[in-house]
Amino acid sequence: GAVVSQHPSWVICKSGTSVKIECRSLDFQATTMFWYRQFPKQSLMLMATSNEGSKATYEQGVEKDKFLINHASLTLSTLTVTSAHPEDSSFYICSATGPSGRAYEQYFGPGTRLTVT
Amino acid sequence: GQQLNQSPQSMFIQEGEDVSMNCTSSSIFNTWLWYKQDPGEGPVLLIALYKAGELTSNGRLTAQFGITRKDSFLNISASIPSDVGIYFCAGMTTDSWGKFQFGAGTQVVVTP
Repeated sequence: GAVVSQHPSWVICKSGTSVKIECRSLDFQATTMFWYRQFPKQSLMLMATSNEGSKATYEQGVEKDKFLINHASLTLSTLTVTSAHPEDSSFYICSATGPSGRAYEQYFGPGTRLTVT
Repeated sequence: GQQLNQSPQSMFIQEGEDVSMNCTSSSIFNTWLWYKQDPGEGPVLLIALYKAGELTSNGRLTAQFGITRKDSFLNISASIPSDVGIYFCAGMTTDSWGKFQFGAGTQVVVTP
């Protein structure tokens, strides 16, 4: 149990276009989801916290108008990279708090590789 | 801000050897976690630690939550080829609910 999926697993887009990435909790409800980005051979950096039914909170330095997050239901959060540029190319990973709701119980998705040309 | 220092950055070991890595923080954490990430995939939780001094095992993996609450280590005993991957520590403080801070990772390569 406690499986998190992401779609798409990889995407290539042209500079200036927008890309939507989905994060789903498949067999549990997640009131909170987190979005991370990971550059090659680097660690995961938290971008934002997504709570169902409310606005996402962004970490310092993350542009909220560029990375739009919508947590529309207890099983789905989406990250939209607007007007993507090559420097946005990265591995985007989401995590979801598990059925217990405990902060430390999080399950990570498999990630989405975004390449902006 | 908080900084998590993870070392070593990489390790090249022979099958059967033990592996040890650690993380230190400039701040106190109330939770330490250790993850493994395979290429192109998300991290998978290996061990979670919740109390200072706690020593927890998961098969051949053993991790400890440092007494000062600013460090943790992970040991892998008798390594096997499938232990290859990148291992990350992550910490969480009481005032940052759910927000993990990750170490830079330790890449483990196991040779037969």
